Amino acid sequence: DAGVTQSPTHLIKTRGQQVTLRCSPISGHKSVSWYQQVLGQGPQFIFQYYEKEERGRGNFPDRFSARQFPNYSSELNVNALLLGDSALYLCASSLSEWNQPQHFGDGTRLSIL
Amino acid sequence: GENVEQHPSTLSVQEGDSAVIKCTYSDSASNYFPWYKQELGKRPQLIIDIRSNVGEKKDQRIAVTLNKTAKHFSLHITETQPEDSAVYFCAAPQMDSNYQLIWGAGTKLIIKP
Repeated sequence: DAGVTQSPTHLIKTRGQQVTLRCSPISGHKSVSWYQQVLGQGPQFIFQYYEKEERGRGNFPDRFSARQFPNYSSELNVNALLLGDSALYLCASSLSEWNQPQHFGDGTRLSIL
Repeated sequence: GENVEQHPSTLSVQEGDSAVIKCTYSDSASNYFPWYKQELGKRPQLIIDIRSNVGEKKDQRIAVTLNKTAKHFSLHITETQPEDSAVYFCAAPQMDSNYQLIWGAGTKLIIKP
């Protein structure tokens, strides 16, 4: 079975631009969570979606938004990019929304110039 | 909200010896505690998790213990091998409606040959 897949693997943008990152969960998983990981730190929670509804939002500005599609795949959008948005963006899927093992994709490395 | 503290930040052990990493949490209602291993440049991988209705769980050389009274849980790795070198993260759920995992700051485990 395929694991969590994310695209693209790497992305270079400039300040002020917008970016869309994509995630396909493990087959059968209905929950997707997004994390930002800055080098040398643990993952920081951005969003969780379950059955196409937002179930949780971390402490990130409104420039960050996400959605989940009927096939449970998800997109993370970031507008008005700042240098500080440079990070590894990780997607994790789980069977349901609550206290279930989360399995991560390889992430999207976003660099802002 | 939940607060997770992880110690030590760096742990260096001789190959073949045991390693112990400890995390404390603040929310007594927390009931699910995963441990992740992240090698350099790779995704976090779930290595073991424990629920609050058990005190210990083992999987070959890896074990996790949970002390609900003291609100701490620990990762134990026995007979360490070079491939155990990585950063290890603990996490605990925020038990309000936010559904997010709160992560520790990570422990860099170095296995000396």
